[in-house]
Amino acid sequence: AQSVTQLDSHVSVSEGTPVLLRCNYSSSYSPSLFWYVQHPNKGLQLLLKYTSAATLVKGINGFEAEFKKSETSFHLTKPSAHMSDAAEYFCVVSDTSGTYKYIFGTGTRLKVLA
Amino acid sequence: NAGVTQTPKFRVLKTGQSMTLLCAQDMNHEYMYWYRQDPGMGLRLIHYSVGEGTTAKGEVPDGYNVSRLKKQNFLLGLESAAPSQTSVYFCASRHRGQFATNEKLFFGSGTQLSVL
Repeated sequence: AQSVTQLDSHVSVSEGTPVLLRCNYSSSYSPSLFWYVQHPNKGLQLLLKYTSAATLVKGINGFEAEFKKSETSFHLTKPSAHMSDAAEYFCVVSDTSGTYKYIFGTGTRLKVLA
Repeated sequence: NAGVTQTPKFRVLKTGQSMTLLCAQDMNHEYMYWYRQDPGMGLRLIHYSVGEGTTAKGEVPDGYNVSRLKKQNFLLGLESAAPSQTSVYFCASRHRGQFATNEKLFFGSGTQLSVL
């Protein structure tokens, strides 16, 4: 079985400062890992995906995430926060065994202060 | 190309009433999913389907039933609605693509359900 734990339910940063959203995963199989973002009253958008091709994954809008197998982590970072980054972020794990169940974390709400 | 379409967008039920939520996708995807989203709990998988005629339980299947009679449609049923089923429901379908990097979920716009 797979699961994800998002370590912070809320994160506040000032505009222009770095963003770190933390995610730990558990999976019986080699996992696929994703970050999705949900802006207020909007749908879910894929930010990036880890596919085992590279441990450092670059996504849209300047976000990136690093897969660390030894720490079972997949933290999301961005060097400089923008006001438009304020949203809820979800870490997602899917096993590659063939069932392709996508399990979401509980989410981290990012607040960006002017 | 409409993507994933959910109907209805809003619904208010009384306890004990039944209803069906419809999800339709026009991308020929094999895998489809139903999630519920509640504050502080993220999206929780209710049921999913790996192809026409198949369904499987997710994390929170109790109180829901599903059917996938046609590849493009995935129905979520509430036989006897309860206030605990007040939530926002999302349907999704899985795009596999030619390369693993192309894998992603396409989501519908959601159904806001209130059970009084």
